Amino acid sequence: AQSVTQLGSHVSVSEGALVLLRCNYSSSVPPYLFWYVQYPNQGLQLLLKYTSAATLVKGINGFEAEFKKSETSFHLTKPSAHMSDAAEYFCAVSDDNQGGKLIFGQGTELSVKP
Amino acid sequence: DAGVTQSPTHLIKTRGQQVTLRCSPISGHKSVSWYQQVLGQGPQFIFQYYEKEERGRGNFPDRFSARQFPNYSSELNVNALLLGDSALYLCASSLVAGGSSYNEQFFGPGTRLTVL
Repeated sequence: AQSVTQLGSHVSVSEGALVLLRCNYSSSVPPYLFWYVQYPNQGLQLLLKYTSAATLVKGINGFEAEFKKSETSFHLTKPSAHMSDAAEYFCAVSDDNQGGKLIFGQGTELSVKP
Repeated sequence: DAGVTQSPTHLIKTRGQQVTLRCSPISGHKSVSWYQQVLGQGPQFIFQYYEKEERGRGNFPDRFSARQFPNYSSELNVNALLLGDSALYLCASSLVAGGSSYNEQFFGPGTRLTVL
């Protein structure tokens, strides 16, 4: 069965510092991987997705993620954090055996200090 | 273009009651999925519908049911509410069913259900 593990339920960085949110997946087939962001009291917004066209994926708001098959990882990074990046971030894998349902990690809350 | 819409925004019910949540997908999308997000956790898959047929069901009791209408909108019903049903219920729409990085799911703002 496919699964996703996000290491660290809470990450705190200073404004301007590097953001690194970790995601490891388990999948017996080539995975479809996604990162979503959730701002307080809102739904989920897609940040980026792995399409197999390139291992380094660029998303919105300056975020990017690198797919590493050997490490079964899909970590999310941003070179310089902004106060507006404070939110909950979810890594997800799509399960094609069930119509493409998304299996989410537990989420990582990002705090940005001034 | 309008995104995924959900109604109501908030809902307060008491234990044992029944609730119906509604979702309208993005125009042109034929698949709707429902997720439950308990506070502090990631969303959990409940159902997926495509062309009015159930395509996937998560590990939820039979108290949870859903349907999709000819216009592709959807309703999620929960009977005999329990305190543990308190959560944010998210609806997502996609063009078709099936896993693919090109068939991404777009989420609505959710319905916050509180069971007292």
